[in-house]
Amino acid sequence: GAVVSQHPSRVICKSGTSVKIECRSLDFQATTMFWYRQFPKQSLMLMATSNEGSKATYEQGVEKDKFLINHASLTLSTLTVTSAHPEDSSFYICSARAWVGFNEKLFFGSGTQLSVL
Amino acid sequence: AQTVTQSQPEMSVQEAETVTLSCTYDTSESNYYLFWYKQPPSRQMILVIRQEAYKQQNATENRFSVNFQKAAKSFSLKISDSQLGDTAMYFCALQNYGGSQGNLIFGKGTKLSVKP
Repeated sequence: GAVVSQHPSRVICKSGTSVKIECRSLDFQATTMFWYRQFPKQSLMLMATSNEGSKATYEQGVEKDKFLINHASLTLSTLTVTSAHPEDSSFYICSARAWVGFNEKLFFGSGTQLSVL
Repeated sequence: AQTVTQSQPEMSVQEAETVTLSCTYDTSESNYYLFWYKQPPSRQMILVIRQEAYKQQNATENRFSVNFQKAAKSFSLKISDSQLGDTAMYFCALQNYGGSQGNLIFGKGTKLSVKP
């Protein structure tokens, strides 16, 4: 089946540094990538939607200058958390949207646990 | 606004028994999908079952089945013959069909514990 590879799975960084998270669709082309954030014991909240070759659309309350999303190709989308602070510590998950036959499907990455010290 | 509500934060069931997780939703769209996802401690999101809103027949996947009541906007998940491996967070989710978005809207989740 379709696989979305998300790296790194876990990252610890110092406050003020930037962290890049990658999501790759390994055997299909992802026209759209969704980025979610999940705080402990909470649900997944959509942060932004990125379409290949165009600017990402951010949800209300999500700072686009802080969470930089690049979707330069149909197989790679990146989320960069710039100048990370402890409140950015969270679990980040990507989800790729693709057509499988005549059906639209969503495939999730395995997530990245970000801890900012 | 589209919302998904799961009113049971936690549930437990004995192994081999049956349990039903509740979900209600609200949307103004006529075409949409509903999902149940499982998130085990590994935190990988695993699709359990999917229902197209235009289909009247309830979806089933082995031990998992749904009771989809479109008029009531209700979408419950029934797990039969519960197994220890079913222990996880379960999220109900809504997705509009097609369009430029297509993102999932999740409920708050139900933590299911299967006891031996």
